[in-house]
Amino acid sequence: NAGVTQTPKFRVLKTGQSMTLLCAQDMNHEYMYWYRQDPGMGLRLIHYSVGEGTTAKGEVPDGYNVSRLKKQNFLLGLESAAPSQTSVYFCASSYSGGRFYEAFFGQGTRLTVV
Amino acid sequence: AQSVSQHNHHVILSEAASLELGCNYSYGGTVNLFWYVQYPGQHLQLLLKYFSGDPLVKGIKGFEAEFIKSKFSFNLRKPSVQWSDTAEYFCAVRANFGNEKLTFGTGTRLTIIP
Repeated sequence: NAGVTQTPKFRVLKTGQSMTLLCAQDMNHEYMYWYRQDPGMGLRLIHYSVGEGTTAKGEVPDGYNVSRLKKQNFLLGLESAAPSQTSVYFCASSYSGGRFYEAFFGQGTRLTVV
Repeated sequence: AQSVSQHNHHVILSEAASLELGCNYSYGGTVNLFWYVQYPGQHLQLLLKYFSGDPLVKGIKGFEAEFIKSKFSFNLRKPSVQWSDTAEYFCAVRANFGNEKLTFGTGTRLTIIP
């Protein structure tokens, strides 16, 4: 049981380049999230999805796009990377609610934009 | 919208000392509350969660937290810390109804001195 898997684990981009981060979960969770983690700022929500084909903006969505074409996958795209997007990105997934609600996290992607 | 405040940014304790980390949230309705831990270089793992009922919640590794509704607080406690508790601790809140967002605090870095 892999849980939440993020690809890639590390990446260095040049300013202006684009890339896609992949998040895959095998727990049949409805909700999926993308967070960024920066020192002293905790985890900030970028985008999230409550089901296949749906996405919504979080706290810091600018410069990012997402897609959820399949229930198990949630993609985060950077169209034109900027140094301010240097961060550690975490994906999470969960059931929709109730007492079973618990967000499970991936191992993270460390992205450096130079 | 909900928010979370963690006022302790860095806490340093000796082994066997007692621990209390503060967490206050802001939201007018019913909430679910969580504490997550992130060991160095790893992803976030759930320590404990509160949904309803007994306001004193027990989690893994000897941690517990108390929900005090009148104070909008959910402080994390452990009677005797170990060196292996060195990690970053995050409090998170989610509105109980109609809100899929899971909002995190900025985190508290805990350093245990042997």
